Amino acid sequence: GQQLNQSPQSMFIQEGEDVSMNCTSSSIFNTWLWYKQDPGEGPVLLIALYKAGELTSNGRLTAQFGITRKDSFLNISASIPSDVGIYFCARGDMRFGAGTRLTVKP
Amino acid sequence: DGGITQSPKYLFRKEGQNVTLSCEQNLNHDAMYWYRQDPGQGLRLIYYSQIVNDFQKGDIAEGYSVSREKKESFPLTVTSAQKNPTAFYLCASSPPTSRFSPSGNTIYFGEGSWLTVV
Repeated sequence: GQQLNQSPQSMFIQEGEDVSMNCTSSSIFNTWLWYKQDPGEGPVLLIALYKAGELTSNGRLTAQFGITRKDSFLNISASIPSDVGIYFCARGDMRFGAGTRLTVKP
Repeated sequence: DGGITQSPKYLFRKEGQNVTLSCEQNLNHDAMYWYRQDPGQGLRLIYYSQIVNDFQKGDIAEGYSVSREKKESFPLTVTSAQKNPTAFYLCASSPPTSRFSPSGNTIYFGEGSWLTVV
């Protein structure tokens, strides 16, 4: 199938640090989505991207749709303890990346 | 309140039994999806349905079955043919896609159902 790679797998950071994660697909898609999942709950949509080159923010979160339409990036600025969770990217065919597990140390 | 309701939250199954997980949405969404999540893993697509009375296999459909007799309901049956069914199951839905509504590609999730084989 068409590959979807998300990295890094996990991150351990200090409170206040910035975070960056990305997803890369082997094929072009018209949509990239970013979700956060807390333990035992369903993922919650953070940011949706529909145009190549689009840069969208949601509070401290910023996501970009890569110009090649094969990748996307999520940045979290000034992390806080409640940012802890698993972050997933998803592309237009509703396939999800393996997730980035974020731990924030106070 | 509008949303996606999954039930039950926790389900225990004996080996060899079929079980059905319920998923209901009152968002008037056309498309619905089922995903499986194993501990520490990502989400894998089991089945999806773009419209009533139609559904398609996802990436791991073996051992599962679905029906879509009503727009608001998309139950998932985990059959005895599924050899390793213990997992967290997530139902999702999305609104229609159109040139003027690209948000149709955005999916929204229920709270999930935990299935354990005992």
